[in-house]
Amino acid sequence: SQTIHQWPATLVQPVGSPLSLECTVEGTSNPNLYWYRQAAGRGLQLLFYSVGIGQISSEVPQNLSASRPQDRQFILSSKKLLLSDSGFYLCAWNPKDGLNTEAFFGQGTRLTVV
Amino acid sequence: QQQVKQSPQSLIVQKGGISIINCAYENTAFDYFPWYQQFPGKGPALLIAIRPDVSEKKEGRFTISFNKSAKQFSLHIMDSQPGDSATYFCAATISGYSTLTFGKGTMLLVSP
Repeated sequence: SQTIHQWPATLVQPVGSPLSLECTVEGTSNPNLYWYRQAAGRGLQLLFYSVGIGQISSEVPQNLSASRPQDRQFILSSKKLLLSDSGFYLCAWNPKDGLNTEAFFGQGTRLTVV
Repeated sequence: QQQVKQSPQSLIVQKGGISIINCAYENTAFDYFPWYQQFPGKGPALLIAIRPDVSEKKEGRFTISFNKSAKQFSLHIMDSQPGDSATYFCAATISGYSTLTFGKGTMLLVSP
């Protein structure tokens, strides 16, 4: 069965520090991968998605970037965190060849920028 | 055109009651409509999903009703329980297309 791992679970970082969140998927190959952010208001904001290695689409221009160095690895990064980057970050995946295109989410990373 | 509008933002239901969450969409190309359940501090989990070729889908206490002509769909939770207290998201997508369009979520509280 497929599983998605996301770490760390919680992170407290000072303003201006770098960020690296990692997500890996097991049990599948060539998945679509996504990064979402969920602010305190609950809504899910799509940040980036990737259909393959090195292919990144950005939905919202901001202080973050994403990379996909391997087929099942998706990394969210920032060079200098802002207070507004605080939030709950979720990685998700779905199979590329499936008719049902629902996404499967990781357990999230709670980022607090202080 | 890509929006999915979800209501209400929050909902309080007594134990044993029916919880109803509504969503509406504009893009007629959407052909797959999943619902997600999210508990605090956890990622959303797929709850139930429907395609527009059926008007209703039921899984246990959870039912999706779909009205294609009105471009609306809703989640009904029968015999609501305190353990159902969570945030619920509706979503829509086009089969084979990469991304989901989510509603803004509904916080459900089922009082004991």
